[in-house]
This record gives sequence, structure tokens and C-alpha cells, in this order.
Amino acid sequence: DTEVTQTPKHLVMGMTNKKSLKCEQHMGHRAMYWYKQKAKKPPELMFVYSYEKLSINESVPSRFSPECPNSSLLNLHLHALQPEDSALYLCASSPGTGSPLHFGNGTRLTVT
Amino acid sequence: AQSVSQHNHHVILSEAASLELGCNYSYGGTVNLFWYVQYPGQHLQLLLKYFSGDPLVKGIKGFEAEFIKSKFSFNLRKPSVQWSDTAEYFCAVNMRFGAGTRLTVKP
Repeated sequence: DTEVTQTPKHLVMGMTNKKSLKCEQHMGHRAMYWYKQKAKKPPELMFVYSYEKLSINESVPSRFSPECPNSSLLNLHLHALQPEDSALYLCASSPGTGSPLHFGNGTRLTVT
Repeated sequence: AQSVSQHNHHVILSEAASLELGCNYSYGGTVNLFWYVQYPGQHLQLLLKYFSGDPLVKGIKGFEAEFIKSKFSFNLRKPSVQWSDTAEYFCAVNMRFGAGTRLTVKP
């Protein structure tokens, strides 16, 4: 079982809704990541936080807004999403940005 | 710009066959190389990693990989696959992933 916990497991939202995805780890890792994974595709890097500061934004549309309230928590705020944003959203953490990633089970997001 | 290429999209093998999955990368800086596995219905897990030193690295479940700097390659190998190795395999350079290779092992 994974030590990176993501909630909710599933989320269905309309295009006008605002929702948030949550990720938590208690391994003392200082880097946290959001990935997007479409069916039969690899994880696609979205954001990287290092020591609670945003270090990488892979030109993600502003309708996705990350937040790292503390070293254990990572949120992804969603607003005005499009149906093509439907995907599995994966959170990962690592001791540092060059270290192996520990993944959560993901949140399956459907935008209607 | 970084890129990671995995040559095989879908590999089908019989049990006890040998496996080699190709991975090539393009990156100008320091590379940390990884292979991850995603078993059906499970989260992505680390198989093995290479940072420096001995270019032949061993991972979990009998997998190994060889880093060949001159070829910018990091191929994954297993001498004898099992049905339970059926999964998606991803090569990663630092935090970026290749397209993945789906391995199906027939019993």
C-alpha cells in the first residue's frame, strides 16, 4: 500500500464547479509533485514543489492552481475545467527533487 | 530539452522468456534514471534507479538495468519473466517519463 494518500478517489464535476484535490505524506519528504495521466499514456508532469515553494510549473493552464500549505500537504484547486481535463491526477513525493518518486493511487477526475 | 524514448509500446512474451525493454534519453545536465512499474489497478512503484557508479543496477523482483552513457540508454532486463510481471513499465529521467511499454506475459 502507498504512503502517499490522495483524496478523493473519484470526483465528478461540472465545468462551472470549483473543487480541490488533496494529497498527504508523512515520510518527511521535501518535494511534492502533481502529474496528470490519461488512459494508456505516461504521467505528465504538472507542478513541482520543493521545500514548500513552487519550483516547476509545466505551463499548466491557470484553471489548475496548486497549493502547498505545509511540507506534508499538497492541494490542487480546480476551477472552470474542460471535459478534456478528465484524467487520473497523481500526487507524488520524494526526499528531494532528484530522488525516486513515491506515488499515491490518484484521483480519477471526470469533468462533465 | 529533455526527452525520454521507449522503443516498444507493447511486448508480449511467454513465461520464462527473457525481457529487454529499451529506453533512450536526451538531456544535457545531470541525469538520475529510473524504471517504474504500474501493475494493473495499483499505483506506480519504483523498480530500480541509477544515480552514479556501477552502470549495472539491480532492482526488485529480479529486474536489472544497464546505463550506457555513450548511447544515452538505460535498458531494463529480466532473464526469465513470470505471468505476474504483466504490467506497464515506464522509464524516467529525473521527474519526466517515457511513453511506457505494456508487457503482457502469457502463462
